[in-house]
Amino acid sequence: AQSVAQPEDQVNVAEGNPLTVKCTYSVSGNPYLFWYVQYPNRGLQFLLKYITGDNLVKGSYGFEAEFNKSQTSFHLKKPSALVSDSALYFCAVTGEWGSNDYKLSFGAGTTVTVRA
Amino acid sequence: GAVVSQHPSRVICKSGTSVKIECRSLDFQATTMFWYRQFPKKSLMLMATSNEGSKATYEQGVEKDKFLINHASLTLSTLTVTSAHPEDSSFYICSARALQGYNSPLHFGNGTRLTVT
Repeated sequence: AQSVAQPEDQVNVAEGNPLTVKCTYSVSGNPYLFWYVQYPNRGLQFLLKYITGDNLVKGSYGFEAEFNKSQTSFHLKKPSALVSDSALYFCAVTGEWGSNDYKLSFGAGTTVTVRA
Repeated sequence: GAVVSQHPSRVICKSGTSVKIECRSLDFQATTMFWYRQFPKKSLMLMATSNEGSKATYEQGVEKDKFLINHASLTLSTLTVTSAHPEDSSFYICSARALQGYNSPLHFGNGTRLTVT
């Protein structure tokens, strides 16, 4: 069965500093990986995805993520964090259609707080 | 593009009553929609997969007679919480894919905060 781990419940950084939100996954076959962001009392917004190709994926709002197959990781990064990046971030994974892992599974979420 | 509208955003109801939540894809057709429940500790739990024109597929442990799902058209799915109890109070979120394919991203509604008194 597939799973996603976000080892940090909270990440705190100062504005202007680099931001990293960690994610590791487990899935049979090739993984399809996603990052979403959620603001208070709102649904989730799609940030970026990895399907195939370059391991470094660029997404919305200056975020990027690096797929590392050997470490089964897909960490989200932003070179210079903004106060407005403060939100709840979810990593998600799905496997290949026809496998038992084709449904989307979410991590538990990481709360990011960027202080001015 | 790819907007999912969910209504209402907040609802308060009394124990024993039923509440209907609507999820609409505004600018695309969605053969499949997904209903999630988000608990206070943040995690998202997939409740069911809503299939247009057929019965929903419920995840293990989700009571299908309590959480009625209807997907009457390619742009509308509804979740009805029947005989609501305080433990049903939660944040419910729907989602759909604008493009075919399990590796395309989900687009989410803004969620419904249900409070059962």
